[in-house]
Amino acid sequence: QQKVQQSPESLSVPEGGMASLNCTSSDRNFQYFWWYRQHSGEGPKALMSIFSDGDKKEGRFTAHLNKASLHVSLHIRDSQPSDSALYFCAASELASSSFSKLVFGQGTSLSVVP
Amino acid sequence: NAGVIQTPRHKVTGKGQEATLWCEPISGHSAVFWYRQTIVQGLEFLTYFRNQAPIDDSGMPKERFSAQMPNQSHSTLKIQSTQPQDSAVYLCASSHPGQGPGQLYFGEGSKLTVL
Repeated sequence: QQKVQQSPESLSVPEGGMASLNCTSSDRNFQYFWWYRQHSGEGPKALMSIFSDGDKKEGRFTAHLNKASLHVSLHIRDSQPSDSALYFCAASELASSSFSKLVFGQGTSLSVVP
Repeated sequence: NAGVIQTPRHKVTGKGQEATLWCEPISGHSAVFWYRQTIVQGLEFLTYFRNQAPIDDSGMPKERFSAQMPNQSHSTLKIQSTQPQDSAVYLCASSHPGQGPGQLYFGEGSKLTVL
């Protein structure tokens, strides 16, 4: 059973539109959440992290975390064709170490249509 | 600054042959992670090292897979007697303690194809 589940599997939005991606964890040991983005032929790159309940905004990207329900979301406003990529939600359970392995979801394929 | 360097980018082996994949982490990063990516399984954790010591190999298949980090500038993932189900993109990532838990810098991956 996947400990980190993402939805939808794929998403298509028009250029300039809002993309919303969702992620739910089944493991209450997970304390830290990340969003990673992977363009074709490249390795995943960290987009942003969220550790506290509420919203975190970085430019066009806003992440939201609800620790009670272990639900994380990512919203991309003013989507650009360059945002077309595979988006991963990832979770980590270690709270005290500076290093921790990440458990990744299956990913959401985002396509931004000009 | 150079990112994480992985070689080879592509490797084709015959069933039963050995494959060795190399990873050079970002200079100054003291943790190295290995992941495997397939369409079906997604991104799977394999193993990780901290200051060259193996910390967690819970994702490594017990047979045929081994990983080493002989010095701070490179790590290797070896697969003996490769099988078609080993075909995947193997990703190496490194991390620095000052950047918070979970900030991994990935290489571009080594695509392994087992015929």
